[in-house]
This record gives sequence, C-alpha cells and structure tokens, in this order.
Amino acid sequence: DIQMTQSPSTLSASVGDRVTITCRASQSISSWLAWYQQKPGKAPKLLIYKASSLESGVPSRFSGSGSGTEFTLTISSLQPDDFASYHCQYYNSYSGTFGQGTKLEIK
Amino acid sequence: QVQLVQSGAEVKKPGSSVKVSCKASGGTFSNYAINWVRQAPGQGLEWMGGIIPIFGTTNHAKKFQGRVTITTDESTTTAYMELSSLRSEDTAVYYCARDASPGIVTSWFDSWGQGTLVTVSS
Repeated sequence: DIQMTQSPSTLSASVGDRVTITCRASQSISSWLAWYQQKPGKAPKLLIYKASSLESGVPSRFSGSGSGTEFTLTISSLQPDDFASYHCQYYNSYSGTFGQGTKLEIK
Repeated sequence: QVQLVQSGAEVKKPGSSVKVSCKASGGTFSNYAINWVRQAPGQGLEWMGGIIPIFGTTNHAKKFQGRVTITTDESTTTAYMELSSLRSEDTAVYYCARDASPGIVTSWFDSWGQGTLVTVSS
C-alpha cells in the first residue's frame, strides 16, 4: 500500500510569511494528490486537486506543485485565516490515503 | 454545490454497531460517490471507504473490511455507514464527503458533511 508522509508535523510562522508544506509518497502517484485545509471542530475544505489545480473560490495565495513522489503546498503570504491544519490525500479512483497532517501555528 | 447533513452524535458500547447517515441536497446524487473519512481525537484523517449510488459500487480500506458497510438510498438521497464490532479505538469524528468526479469511487472530495462524533465507551 502507498504511504503518504507530510512534513513538518507542526509549523510556526507569522502573518505575511511564505510557507511550504511537503507531502511524500512511498511510490510514484503521478499527480493524483489533493490538499485540504481544516480548522478546529470543522470539516476539511478542498484547496488543491490533481496536485496543482486550484479549487474554485480558493485564494490564489495557495498553490500546489509536484508529481511522482514529492509534492508541496505553498502559501505565498500567510493571512490570519490560514492558521489551520493541512492534509494531503492520494487517490487512485478506488481508494484514498491521507498524510498525517500539518498544523500551521502562529509564531 | 451539494450540501451534506449528517446524523447526530452517538455513544456506543464496545462490541456494538453504529450507523451514521449523510443526507445530500442541492446537487446530483446518483452519479457521484459518497466516501467516509474518520478522524480520531488529535489525529489525522483516515479514509474508510466509498460508494457510487447509481451503481452500488463500493470499496473499503483493508483495515475496515468485514466491519464496515456503506449503503445508499437514492429515493432519499441519503448515504449510510455502519461500523460493527466497535472498540474504543473507533472513537472518532466520522465525515461523509462527496467525490468530485462522476462514476469514480475515490478522487478528491469537494463537499463534506459536518461530522458525527462516535464515542465508544463501556
């Protein structure tokens, strides 16, 4: 089974910072990767699909890149609303696997 | 966009079963899979399985095979997830999520239910 590993587990940053979260797959997954944002007590929200496609309505400061085994989610200039947890997800039409999540905290 | 509304919190005894519902409104139900994802306290997301309503096609994570049953009722646009032989480690928030791609069990999820807390305790 393919395993997804996110890093770091926790990230401290300030408003205005550029931050990058990494998700690594245990074997090549082409571009079958999505990213979600989750705030405490709330359901996840889709940000990125197919590794780099921005979901409608998501601010353009969010971007995704990568293919194969290494992927990144970048927030170009952190806003107060962005402090949350972020999850990557591999999918292959019949199953899905999530990374363990990254918590983005205010420094 | 489709809205997904889940049933309320449950408290269950070890060894029992729980059935969580997820009612869809405002969009096409039959062609888009409903998946179930859970999150234990302080932990990450865990995919459990999914179903395409119009075909009844299902798939489950190996971890849950034999314990999870996912069904739908197209007449009420409702999906259900039943988990049996509950143990304390099953205490989690259970989410339903609609797949964004028609005719596929699992791709990315563009709509989520609000979550249902299931607590397993003696």
